[in-house]
Amino acid sequence: DVKVTQSSRYLVKRTGEKVFLECVQDMDHENMFWYRQDPGLGLRLIYFSYDVKMKEKGDIPEGYSVSREKKERFSLILESASTNQTSMYLCASSLWAGGPVEDTGELFFGEGSRLTVL
Amino acid sequence: DAKTTQPPSMDCAEGRAANLPCNHSTISGNEYVYWYRQIHSQGPQYIIHGLKNNETNEMASLIITEDRKSSTLILPHATLRDTAVYYCIVLIWGSARQLTFGSGTQLTVLP
Repeated sequence: DVKVTQSSRYLVKRTGEKVFLECVQDMDHENMFWYRQDPGLGLRLIYFSYDVKMKEKGDIPEGYSVSREKKERFSLILESASTNQTSMYLCASSLWAGGPVEDTGELFFGEGSRLTVL
Repeated sequence: DAKTTQPPSMDCAEGRAANLPCNHSTISGNEYVYWYRQIHSQGPQYIIHGLKNNETNEMASLIITEDRKSSTLILPHATLRDTAVYYCIVLIWGSARQLTFGSGTQLTVLP
């Protein structure tokens, strides 16, 4: 089974701190994604990456950056955390969209990281 | 991507079939119907997807109407562990980066 592992389930940080959220997948997927989930707003895409060192902005990239130095690892960085970044953060991976028939286009999600910024 | 409409909540008795409807009247010809679910405090989980034919896997069945304007996800024998929010999504094949989750349907399986 595909496994997407997020480094921390719960974090509490203070305003202005730098925060790293790590995500690792073990199925050699090309695509990786970072979402945040807030009540009433559904899942919103922050950034995605379709290859090592490649990244593209999603719908809400402001205040975030990402790093993908290795294929299996995709990190989300909050340079200076703010209270409005308190949220559930979800990492996901998928096979390359233009791949063979067995590429279902489905996303595999991690368990989520609940970040509280005080 | 086409918008979907789902009922906000449904109940189902344990052991019975759960039928979750979804309307997607503006779906275009190259858009697939995907279903995901999210159990409380976990990440979303892919269930099934289809284009125009009915589909079945080990988790569920997907019935898509002939005009493709609506679909139904069927959990044949619901268990308490199926209690979750179920999301119906339409998107173009392989465009996972456009995947967006709306409010979904909160399914509660009752003992």
